[in-house]
Amino acid sequence: QKEVEQDPGPLSVPEGAIVSLNCTYSNSAFQYFMWYRQYSRKGPELLMYTYSSGNKEDGRFTAQVDKSSKYISLFIRDSQPSDSATYLCAMSDGEGGYQKVTFGTGTKLQVIP
Amino acid sequence: DTAVSQTPKYLVTQMGNDKSIKCEQNLGHDTMYWYKQDSKKFLKIMFSYNNKELIINETVPNRFSPKSPDKAHLNLHINSLELGDSAVYFCASSQKAGAEATGELFFGEGSRLTVL
Repeated sequence: QKEVEQDPGPLSVPEGAIVSLNCTYSNSAFQYFMWYRQYSRKGPELLMYTYSSGNKEDGRFTAQVDKSSKYISLFIRDSQPSDSATYLCAMSDGEGGYQKVTFGTGTKLQVIP
Repeated sequence: DTAVSQTPKYLVTQMGNDKSIKCEQNLGHDTMYWYKQDSKKFLKIMFSYNNKELIINETVPNRFSPKSPDKAHLNLHINSLELGDSAVYFCASSQKAGAEATGELFFGEGSRLTVL
C-alpha cells in the first residue's frame, strides 16, 4: 500500500463547477499537508499549505485536513479553464528534522469552457 | 528572474553514457533536493542537501551522484545511463530544514531525460 493515495483522474468539469480533489494517507505521523499545482511541462508550484487538522481558504481554493480519517481535500470554487493542471497532494511528518515530503500521484483536472 | 533554474531542460542520450544536470537557486534557501518524476507523474525524492551537507539519500542506484559545491547549487551526475532512468528530474529548494522544516518546496521547471 502506498503511503499516499490519490485518484489519477482525469477529471473533466465544465467552467464554473466546484471541483473536489482528495487524498488518503496511511502514515499517522504526517503533520504538514500541501497541495501543489503542476501545469504541463512545468515544475510543481505550492498552492495551499496546512498544518495539522482543519480548513484553510485562499480565494477560490479551500484545503481541508481530517487527520482522524487520514483524508485531505482541495476544493476549487468557480473553476476556470486556467485551473486545468495536475494537482498533487503532499505531506511531511516533521519527525527528526529534515522533512521528507511524500507526494500523491496527482489528479489531472480539465476545466472545459 | 528565475528562482530555481535547471540546465539542461532536455537531454537525449544513449544507454551507457554519463550525463549531468545542474541546478541553481537564488532564493537564499539552505536546503536543496532532487526529485524524479516518472511517466505516471509520480514524484519521488532522491536526495536532499542542507547547506552542502547530504541529509536525505533515498534508495537510489549509486550510478546517481549528487554534488553541492555551495548552498545555492546542487548538481546531479548520472553514470552508465539505463533505459529506466528516462524521467523528468526536478530540482527544488526549501527555506528551512531540521525541526522547522514544513515541506514547502520551490521547484525548477525540470530536466527531461530520455535514454535511447
